[in-house]
Amino acid sequence: AQKITQTQPGMFVQEKEAVTLDCTYDTSDPSYGLFWYKQPSSGEMIFLIYQGSYDQQNATEGRYSLNFQKARKSANLVISASQLGDSAMYFCAMRDSWGKLQFGAGTQVVVTP
Amino acid sequence: GAGVSQSPRYKVAKRGQDVALRCDPISGHVSLFWYQQALGQGPEFLTYFQNEAQLDKSGLPSDRFFAERPEGSVSTLKIQRTQQEDSAVYLCASSSGTGPVGELFFGEGSRLTVL
Repeated sequence: AQKITQTQPGMFVQEKEAVTLDCTYDTSDPSYGLFWYKQPSSGEMIFLIYQGSYDQQNATEGRYSLNFQKARKSANLVISASQLGDSAMYFCAMRDSWGKLQFGAGTQVVVTP
Repeated sequence: GAGVSQSPRYKVAKRGQDVALRCDPISGHVSLFWYQQALGQGPEFLTYFQNEAQLDKSGLPSDRFFAERPEGSVSTLKIQRTQQEDSAVYLCASSSGTGPVGELFFGEGSRLTVL
């Protein structure tokens, strides 16, 4: 069975600073995908970034980058130059070779001026 | 439509009533997922379809929960004899891919409150 762990229930970060959100996963499947989603207080789920298990390079999307350490089974999200609009719940998720996607418990990020 | 559409957006049910939640995925998307999200928690997987085939229903909490996607497009999640613990937001998502690649696109959710 696969499992996704996010150990940080909440974090405060100052505007313009970088923040790292931790995610570890457990799977015996050699083929999988790792995702990060953002959920603001309005409730919609917003896709941020994807990393495939066979990808050699870390994924980047604008201010988001994914620090993929396969041997450690970690997929941390780095948000650079935080903005007030980044305040939200952030979920790490993993999709297995069958296509099933499961989420971690999430990390609440609050960006302060 | 352009995105995943869910209805109703809000549903209040008395304990013991049956409810049906509808999901209209993005046209052509093969994969469809249902999740249950309690307040302040991560989405919990309920079930997963590829076209009309229900590949995984391991997350359905009890036999009161039933999902179908008879023609491989619209899906309905039915909850029989609702209980207070069923109160949650039910999220539907679809994806064009069937493997580990490809993000899921989410609807706005159906918020169920059981009194």
